Amino acid sequence: KAGVTQTPRYLIKTRGQQVTLSCSPISGHRSVSWYQQTPGQGLQFLFEYFSETQRNKGNFPGRFSGRQFSNSRSEMNVSTLELGDSALYLCASSLAGPGTGELFFGEGSRLTVL
Amino acid sequence: EDQVTQSPEALRLQEGESSSLNCSYTVSGLRGLFWYRQDPGKGPEFLFTLYSAGEEKEKERLKATLTKKESFLHITAPKPEDSATYLCAVQPDYTGGFKTIFGAGTRLFVKA
Repeated sequence: KAGVTQTPRYLIKTRGQQVTLSCSPISGHRSVSWYQQTPGQGLQFLFEYFSETQRNKGNFPGRFSGRQFSNSRSEMNVSTLELGDSALYLCASSLAGPGTGELFFGEGSRLTVL
Repeated sequence: EDQVTQSPEALRLQEGESSSLNCSYTVSGLRGLFWYRQDPGKGPEFLFTLYSAGEEKEKERLKATLTKKESFLHITAPKPEDSATYLCAVQPDYTGGFKTIFGAGTRLFVKA
């Protein structure tokens, strides 16, 4: 069974640019969540999507956005990049049914902003 | 505000030296508490889910327990391959979704 796939794995951008990250969840998983991980802040929740609808959102500025497609694949976008956006961005999928809240993570997209 | 606090930040053990990691949480209503393991450069890997106080789960050298305010991850006779960051997380039951809040983690180093 294929795991969660994130692309690209590594990318370098400059301040002011925008970036789009992609996530393909485990087959059958309808919930996709995004997290930002930095050494100082740990794993910070960005947003969660279920059946193309954003159900929860973390405390990030509006520059961070996402969407989910009908096949459950998800993308997140960061506009007007800042140096502080350098981080590992992790996507996780979940069955999201009763008693099935565990998350299955991809290996992440490492973003460096210069 | 929902919060997860893990201690210690780092733990160094000799091979075979058992110990426990602590996770204290504050959440209005708990849907579930989770433990994950994260190796450097990789995404977290799911270990356990606990739903109610008094519940225990075991897997190899790891045992997770839950009280109303804390969870412990007990590591019995650890081996060097157990070295990793262990993350505790909670899912509140009021969000209508599956928002998961993570602690900062405990970095475990096991020396042979």
